[in-house]
Amino acid sequence: GENVEQHPSTLSVQEGDSAVIKCTYSDSASNYFPWYKQELGKRPQLIIDIRSNVGEKKDQRIAVTLNKTAKHFSLHITETQPEDSAVYFCAASDDKIIFGKGTRLHILP
Amino acid sequence: DSGVTQTPKHLITATGQRVTLRCSPRSGDLSVYWYQQSLDQGLQFLIHYYNGEERAKGNILERFSAQQFPDLHSELNLSSLELGDSALYFCASSVEGGRSGNTIYFGEGSWLTVV
Repeated sequence: GENVEQHPSTLSVQEGDSAVIKCTYSDSASNYFPWYKQELGKRPQLIIDIRSNVGEKKDQRIAVTLNKTAKHFSLHITETQPEDSAVYFCAASDDKIIFGKGTRLHILP
Repeated sequence: DSGVTQTPKHLITATGQRVTLRCSPRSGDLSVYWYQQSLDQGLQFLIHYYNGEERAKGNILERFSAQQFPDLHSELNLSSLELGDSALYFCASSVEGGRSGNTIYFGEGSWLTVV
């Protein structure tokens, strides 16, 4: 079955700097790769997603890249702000949606 | 508000007991997914139902079972509860459930504490 590895588990960046979170997946049939943000005690919320026919997608300060050959995808957050502090989950989807273990992002003042 | 409704929000029960968690998907969504999130842990996929039928199963214990009813709401039954079952249980829903890659929307979760 699908396995999703996510790195790093914890990431601290200075406010205003960029943050990058990387994920790899195992099932080449996966065709949809969403990213979710989860604040403490709340539900995960979709922030951006990418499908297998696209290599890159951007939405304001957030971008995602996908390399299907290498089976890895990454989340890039630029000009980080305090409200970006949260846990971020990547996921890979075929008929199951399997999540990575999450990255706790700390934005330092 | 995602449109996915989960009840109860909080539940405290004793070891050995049985509980039922309920989920109503977004209007029009046919798929329901259940995930377990323990403290500082990721989202463990339990099970997926599509239009009343089981579509995929993850790391769901034999003590746990689920079903999706004709009105598309779903219930997750947890029996013979152990301390380690204490977790946040999320339900999520999506329009479809096939191989097209669908965005899933999470409910607020049900906090289960086993004492």
